[in-house]
Amino acid sequence: ETGVTQTPRHLVMGMTNKKSLKCEQHLGHNAMYWYKQSAKKPLELMFVYNFKEQTENNSVPSRFSPECPNSSHLFLHLHTLQPEDSALYLCASSQTGRLYEQFFGPGTRLTVL
Amino acid sequence: DQQVKQNSPSLSVQEGRISILNCDYTNSMFDYFLWYKKYPAEGPTFLISISSIKDKNEDGRFTVFLNKSAKHLSLHIVPSQPGDSAVYFCAASASSNNNDMRFGAGTRLTVKP
Repeated sequence: ETGVTQTPRHLVMGMTNKKSLKCEQHLGHNAMYWYKQSAKKPLELMFVYNFKEQTENNSVPSRFSPECPNSSHLFLHLHTLQPEDSALYLCASSQTGRLYEQFFGPGTRLTVL
Repeated sequence: DQQVKQNSPSLSVQEGRISILNCDYTNSMFDYFLWYKKYPAEGPTFLISISSIKDKNEDGRFTVFLNKSAKHLSLHIVPSQPGDSAVYFCAASASSNNNDMRFGAGTRLTVKP
């Protein structure tokens, strides 16, 4: 595997479910990001991790819980989501401080029923 | 607070003609601008960028123009090819905050053979 991979690619969940999105990067980067893209809206930066430490949390509700066990893996734990949380969730990575040179994964299409 | 705006959700051009995609921003602190291209079922990929110290950057068929006084940038693709059909995102960042980049909502370009 090369680049940035995300699993699952599609996820349908109920509002009471707990699920996790996984991201893995094989680029030797030390910064990882979660973005949300809702229909016809700009990509919204949710979380930033630099060297496994969270450095940004852009007012994301606590029902989204990120985890970065090492610089190659990033998770987004989901619980008690709302239908308006349905979106494409994109993971990206870069070298620290080089946000503008980030590589994106293909995304997870999430539907909350 | 949408700091980066792409007011045209879609654009259709004939193969061989010029495609012009536009982007406006409101934050005068932005000093680095990027265009990303996204195919269906794939993550955005970096296309071309420009620093605020320049007003033009060219890479093959792609040229980005920056008008700082108007807070406006544009992407020119010439000649357009059917393979250029994708969603194009404009993004902007401020070097004073390497952890934040703002995206536009995207413009869907269709190049007709």
